[in-house]
This record gives sequence, C-alpha cells and structure tokens, in this order.
Amino acid sequence: SQTIHQWPATLVQPVGSPLSLECTVEGTSNPNLYWYRQAAGRGLQLLFYSVGIGQISSEVPQNLSASRPQDRQFILSSKKLLLSDSGFYLCAWSRGIAGGPGEQFFGPGTRLTVL
Amino acid sequence: QKEVEQNSGPLSVPEGAIASLNCTYSDRGSQSFFWYRQYSGKSPELIMSIYSNGDKEDGRFTAQLNKASQYVSLLIRDSQPSDSATYLCAVGGTSGTYKYIFGTGTRLKVLA
Repeated sequence: SQTIHQWPATLVQPVGSPLSLECTVEGTSNPNLYWYRQAAGRGLQLLFYSVGIGQISSEVPQNLSASRPQDRQFILSSKKLLLSDSGFYLCAWSRGIAGGPGEQFFGPGTRLTVL
Repeated sequence: QKEVEQNSGPLSVPEGAIASLNCTYSDRGSQSFFWYRQYSGKSPELIMSIYSNGDKEDGRFTAQLNKASQYVSLLIRDSQPSDSATYLCAVGGTSGTYKYIFGTGTRLKVLA
C-alpha cells in the first residue's frame, strides 16, 4: 500500500527565516505530487504540482518554491518567510487514470506559524 | 477562474438522519470528482470518488454526479456524531490538467 510522509508536523519560524518542508511517498512510482496551503478556516490553495522529476508547475506567485529531486520526493522551500506564509501545508499524491487525474491522497500536513 | 462552490454551513442533522451535501463546479471539462472529510486540525481524507454520471454507493455514503447540471452531491445515511466534520468537494482535470480544485467545504454537525 502507498504511504505519504511529511515533516515536520509543526514548525514555528521567525519572519525572514528560510523554510524547507519535505514530503516523500512510498509504495508507488511516478506519482503526481502536489503542495497545498490551507489558511485557518479557509479552503485548500494549490501552490505547486509536479508530474515528473524536475517538472514543477507553480500556481500562485509568491515567495515559495518547490523542487522534485527524486521520483517520490517533493520539497517546498522559501528563502525568507512572511507572516502571510502561516498555515497548514499539505502534500498530496495522485496517479493519473485514462489520461486524467485519479484519486488524490494527502499527507498528515505541517502546521507552520510565522512570528 | 475555475470554481467549485459549496455551502459553508453548518449543516445540522440529528443522529440517524440522512445528511445531504452539495457542490457545483464551473469547468465543463472536469473529469473526476471527489469528496473528502476533514476533521479539525487534520488532513483531508478521501471518502468517495466518482467519474461518470449517476450514483456510486460505498457503505453509508452515496455520491451523485450530474455533468449536465455540473453538480455533485454526497449523501450520508444513518449519520453518526463521528461524521461531524468539514466535507470538501474536489474536481480534477480542470483545463485538461492534473490539477484539482477544491471547494471551501461544508461543515456538518450530527446531533446526538
């Protein structure tokens, strides 16, 4: 069975500090990978998605970046955090079916507080 | 801007009743449709997926899809207090991509 890991679970960082969140998927190959952010009481905002190693699509202009150095590893980074970067960061994976997006599964998330 | 709309609720139903959750979407090219349950402070959990018009049943859950009306619904039979959560509707394949668009969720309260 497939498993998705995210770490850390919680993080408190000062404004202006760097960020690195990591996500790995086990039990599948060539997954589509996603980063979402959920602000308190809000919906899920798609930040980045990747359909293969080195292929990153950015959905929202911001001070965040993503990388996919290995097939099942997805990293979210920032050089300088802003207060508005606080939120619940979720990594997800899916596999395409018949040319379209299939079921998507989420990791446990990282709760980031920027002070 | 492709959108997925849900009533934010809260929707309150008594224990044992049927809860009916609704969702509309704007992109006619959408290919796949999902319902997630999210407990407070936790990540979303997939509970139903549906890809073609009609009904799909899984235990106490039934998903209904009407592509002509661009409408997806979720019925929860014999609702339990443990079903109290926020339910997110998601649409996949917007603009022919592997992206998913989520609604803001409907908060369900099942009253014991």
